[in-house]
Amino acid sequence: DQQVKQNSPSLSVQEGRISILNCDYTNSMFDYFLWYKKYPAEGPTFLISISSIKDKNEDGRFTVFLNKSAKHLSLHIVPSQPGDSAVYFCAASGDNYGQNFVFGPGTRLSVLP
Amino acid sequence: KAGVTQTPRYLIKTRGQQVTLSCSPISGHRSVSWYQQTPGQGLQFLFEYFSETQRNKGNFPGRFSGRQFSNSRSEMNVSTLELGDSALYLCASSLVEGRTGANVLTFGAGSRLTVL
Repeated sequence: DQQVKQNSPSLSVQEGRISILNCDYTNSMFDYFLWYKKYPAEGPTFLISISSIKDKNEDGRFTVFLNKSAKHLSLHIVPSQPGDSAVYFCAASGDNYGQNFVFGPGTRLSVLP
Repeated sequence: KAGVTQTPRYLIKTRGQQVTLSCSPISGHRSVSWYQQTPGQGLQFLFEYFSETQRNKGNFPGRFSGRQFSNSRSEMNVSTLELGDSALYLCASSLVEGRTGANVLTFGAGSRLTVL
């Protein structure tokens, strides 16, 4: 039973347009969420996070929205650039130490020039 | 500042063998976590160590074990390898000791294990 779901395995977007990556979770105890980006042959790198006390967090071109009632979060990338092409993982945590993260299966984003 | 270093990067084993993977965290980071990545499954949490103690454990069989040394370096071991153990094993370190705010895992490049 996947507690964190990313229902779109892949997404293609034109350069300069908005990319929207979605993530759904089932465990209401999750209170901290992160997005990671992964290039081939590299480890995931942290992008942006949000805690459950907020509904939006913004960092440059990246914005994460959290809808707790729907147990849904999304990552918006505006404007999308070819260098954003990667696999994006959504992760959630609810344990006391914040070290046990549950990751989604990932969405492969392709930004077309 | 050096990142998280994992060795070896690639290795091939046969069924029934055992394997040991090593991880050197970022200097000063005391928490080390291990994840298994397989196609379509995302990253599955294996275990987390802090100050040489296993603090959290994922839902993996006892064939998967780990340890952390006094210098925070960590190893994970998989015994009696099975074909399904073929995966990318990722190590991540973290500075935050508790839930005091932003808690970010910094990942290494991973060790890709192929079991034949």
